[in-house]
Amino acid sequence: AQTVTQSQPEMSVQEAETVTLSCTYDTSENNYYLFWYKQPPSRQMILVIRQEAYKQQNATENRFSVNFQKAAKSFSLKISDSQLGDTAMYFCAFMRGGTASKLTFGTGTRLQVTL
Amino acid sequence: NAGVTQTPKFRVLKTGQSMTLLCAQDMNHEYMYWYRQDPGMGLRLIHYSVGEGTTAKGEVPDGYNVSRLKKQNFLLGLESAAPSQTSVYFCASSYMGNQPQHFGDGTRLSIL
Repeated sequence: AQTVTQSQPEMSVQEAETVTLSCTYDTSENNYYLFWYKQPPSRQMILVIRQEAYKQQNATENRFSVNFQKAAKSFSLKISDSQLGDTAMYFCAFMRGGTASKLTFGTGTRLQVTL
Repeated sequence: NAGVTQTPKFRVLKTGQSMTLLCAQDMNHEYMYWYRQDPGMGLRLIHYSVGEGTTAKGEVPDGYNVSRLKKQNFLLGLESAAPSQTSVYFCASSYMGNQPQHFGDGTRLSIL
C-alpha cells in the first residue's frame, strides 16, 4: 500500500515571500502520478499541480512549482510571491498509474500567509 | 459551469437513521468517487465507480453503499448512521482513471 507523509502540520509565510511545503511518499510502483491540492476555508478541493513520475522535468503552474526527487520519493511544493489568497490547507496526493485511479492523500499542511 | 454538485451541503442525523448523499457531474466523466475527510487526516476513499453500473470498494467502505445507475450521478448511502460517520464527505469525478479529479464542495454530516 502507498503512504503519503506531510511532516509540517502548519507553516506561516509573509506576503511576497517564498515557502516550500514538504511531501514524501512510499511506493514500490514505477508508474504513478503526484498531485498537490489546495483547500481554502471555503472547503473546496482545488488542484494546484500535477506531476507524472516518468517525467524528469518538474511541473510548474505560474507561482507554483514542484521539486520532484523520484529516487528520494520526495515531492515538495514551492509557492513564490505568496499572496493572502494562498492561505489554505495543502494536501499532497499519490495515484498509481494505469487504470487504477485511487488518490492517497497526506494529512495536509495548513499554510497561513501574513501581511 | 456546474462541475460536480453535491446535495445536501449540511445534514444532521440521529444514530440509526438512513440517508443518501447525491453527487451529480455534468462533465461526462467516466470515473466518480466518494471520500470522507476527518480532522487531522487527509481524504480517504470510501467507494468509487469506473463507469455507469459499476462500483468498487475503497479504503474505508464499511457502513456505506453506493450506486451508479446513471453516468452523471453517484449516490452514497448510509443505511444505519453511526456517530463514527460524522465527517465531511466529498464527491469527485475524472474523465479517465489517471486524470486529475474534480471535487464537489463537500457535505458536512453530523450524526448525534
